Amino acid sequence: DTAVSQTPKYLVTQMGNDKSIKCEQNLGHDTMYWYKQDSKKFLKIMFSYNNKELIINETVPNRFSPKSPDKAHLNLHINSLELGDSAVYFCASSLSAGEETQYFGPGTRLLVL
Amino acid sequence: EDQVTQSPEALRLQEGESSSLNCSYTVSGLRGLFWYRQDPGKGPEFLFTLYSAGEEKEKERLKATLTKKESFLHITAPKPEDSATYLCAVPDSGGGADGLTFGKGTHLIIQP
Repeated sequence: DTAVSQTPKYLVTQMGNDKSIKCEQNLGHDTMYWYKQDSKKFLKIMFSYNNKELIINETVPNRFSPKSPDKAHLNLHINSLELGDSAVYFCASSLSAGEETQYFGPGTRLLVL
Repeated sequence: EDQVTQSPEALRLQEGESSSLNCSYTVSGLRGLFWYRQDPGKGPEFLFTLYSAGEEKEKERLKATLTKKESFLHITAPKPEDSATYLCAVPDSGGGADGLTFGKGTHLIIQP
């Protein structure tokens, strides 16, 4: 059974479009995260979401918005896509916020043309 | 600002040749140090968590150690399947969305 899953695995789209990436975890965790891995393979936190509390990394543009329909899902919506948004986006989850071990999904490879 | 620096950036070893990867960190109040393995095209896979200086954890050919300023990932008699990028990370101490701050990783290649 996949613990943290993401769809789609690949996403190719035109600049200016709006797209969403879905994430689901079946671990019963309370906290979920979105990370961005750029072309240099550097992983950076974008958001964490715990018990309806959203914490945003101040460097993330407001074109990015996470939405959580329930504790097991944290979807990422991106408006007005730009070329620089091309990257691999990883979802992760942990039992609770803070220093808990985080478990990562397989990633979504986004290419903006 | 939290800093995590890994060295070397890349390391090529012969099968069976032991070595160590370094992760140095500067954080205000360490709340854990995490090691992950990432294979090409996949998400990071959790390996170890270390919480206090002097702590050691082992898994197969890997052993992670922690001091007050750095962590080492020792690889003993590695095999080609140990080839991957190894990432270390610490919890954000502020402004980082309460996630993990990652180093840039060490790309390890084990040649048969």
